[in-house]
Amino acid sequence: QVQLVESGGGVVQPGRSLRVSCAATGFSLRDYAMHWVRQAPGKGLEWVAVLWYDGNIKYYADSVKGRFTISRDISKNTLYLQMNSLRVEDTAVYYCARDQDYGDQPEYYFDYWGQGTLVTVSS
Amino acid sequence: IVLTQSPATLSLSPGERATLSCRASQSVSSYLGWYQQKPGQAPRLLIYDASNRATGIPARFSGSGSGTDFTLTISSLEPEDFAVYYCQQRSNWPTFGPGTKVDIK
Repeated sequence: QVQLVESGGGVVQPGRSLRVSCAATGFSLRDYAMHWVRQAPGKGLEWVAVLWYDGNIKYYADSVKGRFTISRDISKNTLYLQMNSLRVEDTAVYYCARDQDYGDQPEYYFDYWGQGTLVTVSS
Repeated sequence: IVLTQSPATLSLSPGERATLSCRASQSVSSYLGWYQQKPGQAPRLLIYDASNRATGIPARFSGSGSGTDFTLTISSLEPEDFAVYYCQQRSNWPTFGPGTKVDIK
């Protein structure tokens, strides 16, 4: 069955970098677009980034553009989010989520989610 | 596109009908979804494209609306339905509403 497992969260100082991972099982990242969505503690949901199924097209929310990079390793069936120049306001649980649509361009509905990994940016 | 949800909190008893609203700052056509989130858990997709139930979602959940005004209806609340519900649009870059908490009266 489909499963997404995030890892790599932790406490990091402002201005530093962190990479979070999302290991996927039950399907291939080659077949679906994948997203990162975050949720600040006690707050709502914010879409962060998308990587299309072909691995070539990436889009980012304005709040992270130029600082975050989404990527994947097909051999490991794992999605990544490299976060640079972290800010206090980046503190959140980071979820990876699968796009609902098989292949083609993303539908931007999220049908499977991981359990999330908490990133805390604090001095 | 900004989404607003009302009410912020809905206090109901099991077996009652829940009606949740979502309003968009501009038309999103039918490109609106609904998610359920329980404490400590990831969101779960319930409805997509305004009125289509996602795989495995019980028939007591239904969605309606188009343009700027949308409704999620839970016909008869089960104990497991008490949670926070978010709407999300995909007409432009995805955005979520602030959520409606459905709690036990």
